[in-house]
Amino acid sequence: QSALTQPASVSGSPGQSITISCTGSTRDIGGYDYVSWYQQYPGKPPKLMIYEVTKRPSGVSSRFSGSKSGNTASLTISGLQAEDEADYHCSSYTISSSSNWVFGGGTKLTVL
Amino acid sequence: QVQLQESGPRLVKPSETLSLICGVSGYSIDAGDYWGWIRQPPGKGLEWIGSIFHSGSTYYNPSLESRVTILVDTSKNRFSLRLTSVTAADTALYYCARHPIPHYYGGYLDHWGRGTLVTVSS
Repeated sequence: QSALTQPASVSGSPGQSITISCTGSTRDIGGYDYVSWYQQYPGKPPKLMIYEVTKRPSGVSSRFSGSKSGNTASLTISGLQAEDEADYHCSSYTISSSSNWVFGGGTKLTVL
Repeated sequence: QVQLQESGPRLVKPSETLSLICGVSGYSIDAGDYWGWIRQPPGKGLEWIGSIFHSGSTYYNPSLESRVTILVDTSKNRFSLRLTSVTAADTALYYCARHPIPHYYGGYLDHWGRGTLVTVSS
């Protein structure tokens, strides 16, 4: 069981916007602006998409954005494209069980 | 361009020790970053194992700390992972990665190796 909770799957049609949630607690997401998001294609390593809740690394499309409200972080993808179909993982620093770095279980995005 | 490559045995027997090396190329391992190990059981989510700074300071996942050792070899520009007393639950894809800042200050993994699948089986 992962420390952070993500929906197992989400789907959307090309051109639409979708949001993937990542729920934790006051000991992680709610207490620190240390959330990052990763995109992972089958058989490939994860790729950093968002860090420190809202920041995008150089080269990542502006269609990807991050936000946080209370104990829940969100990744929004606007103008959905077929190439966005992948698994998405959230992560956060946590003070639960000492200092730790935790991930969500991952969300499979399907572009219909 | 930072490149990381994992290497090591792909099959480990139960109760034995898993050992992997991460070679870093195109970048100096003592440039001031942190270097970590992350694993992903087949079909499951990611799990941080631990990280190391070039000075040798280490940070481990509390749930694995009693079995994990991460070392750095700056002369060979690489770092390593040892996981003792393995069981089938340790079967996973093991990745090495870089993070510019420590996890307790908002670390994020910006460069990853391709990963290596390690199976624990007799």
